[in-house]
Amino acid sequence: AQKITQTQPGMFVQEKEAVTLDCTYDTSDPSYGLFWYKQPSSGEMIFLIYQGSYDQQNATEGRYSLNFQKARKSANLVISASQLGDSAMYFCAMREDTGTASKLTFGTGTRLQVTL
Amino acid sequence: GAGVSQSPSNKVTEKGKDVELRCDPISGHTALYWYRQSLGQGLEFLIYFQGNSAPDKSGLPSDRFSAERTGGSVSTLTIQRTQQEDSAVYLCASSFSGLGQGAWGANVLTFGAGSRLTVL
Repeated sequence: AQKITQTQPGMFVQEKEAVTLDCTYDTSDPSYGLFWYKQPSSGEMIFLIYQGSYDQQNATEGRYSLNFQKARKSANLVISASQLGDSAMYFCAMREDTGTASKLTFGTGTRLQVTL
Repeated sequence: GAGVSQSPSNKVTEKGKDVELRCDPISGHTALYWYRQSLGQGLEFLIYFQGNSAPDKSGLPSDRFSAERTGGSVSTLTIQRTQQEDSAVYLCASSFSGLGQGAWGANVLTFGAGSRLTVL
C-alpha cells in the first residue's frame, strides 16, 4: 500500500490566489513527521515545512501552512498569495519513528503552475 | 561544508560500465540517504546510513548497486554493469540524526543537487 498519496498530478492557480495541495498518508506508528518539499525545474529539493504527529498546532512558515487532520490522515499544503516563483513540483513525505532507521518516504508529487 | 555536495553533477556512460557517485554531507550530520529520481517521477529510496553502518538498504534495486560510507562522512554509491534503466538523477541527503523521536525539525533532510546519470 502507498504510504503517501498525492492525488493531484497537476494544479493551476492564479497569481496572488491561495492553493491547496493534497496529501494523505498511511501509517500505524503513533509518532511520525510529515514534510513538504519543493522541486523547481532546476532540480534541487527545497524543504518547506514539517508537522510532527504530536504537534497540537498546524505548522506555518511564511506563506506556507500545513492543514493537518490526523483522524483523516491528511496533511495538505496551503500556499497563500501564490507567486510565479511557486511554479514547481511539490512532494509530500513522511518519516516514521521506528526507533532505529528513519527514511523519508515520498509521494509522487503535484506539479503546480502559477499563472498571471 | 555549507551544503550537501554531490559529484559528478553529470555522468554519461556506456551500458555495462561501472560508475561511482560521491556524496559529501553537511558537517556533523550523522545520517545520510541516497534516493533515485527517474525522469518525471517521485523519489525512490535506495539506502540509508547512520554513521558508517547501513541499517536500511531495502531500496537498492539489485546486487549491482552498492554503497559505502567512511569516516561517518563521505559516501559513494557504486553501480556495476550499468543498464539503461539505471539512467536517473541520484540524490543524496543528510540530516542531523536518523532518529525521529519527535525532533522532526532538527532532523530535516537537506538534499544535494544530484548526479544525473545517463546510460547509453
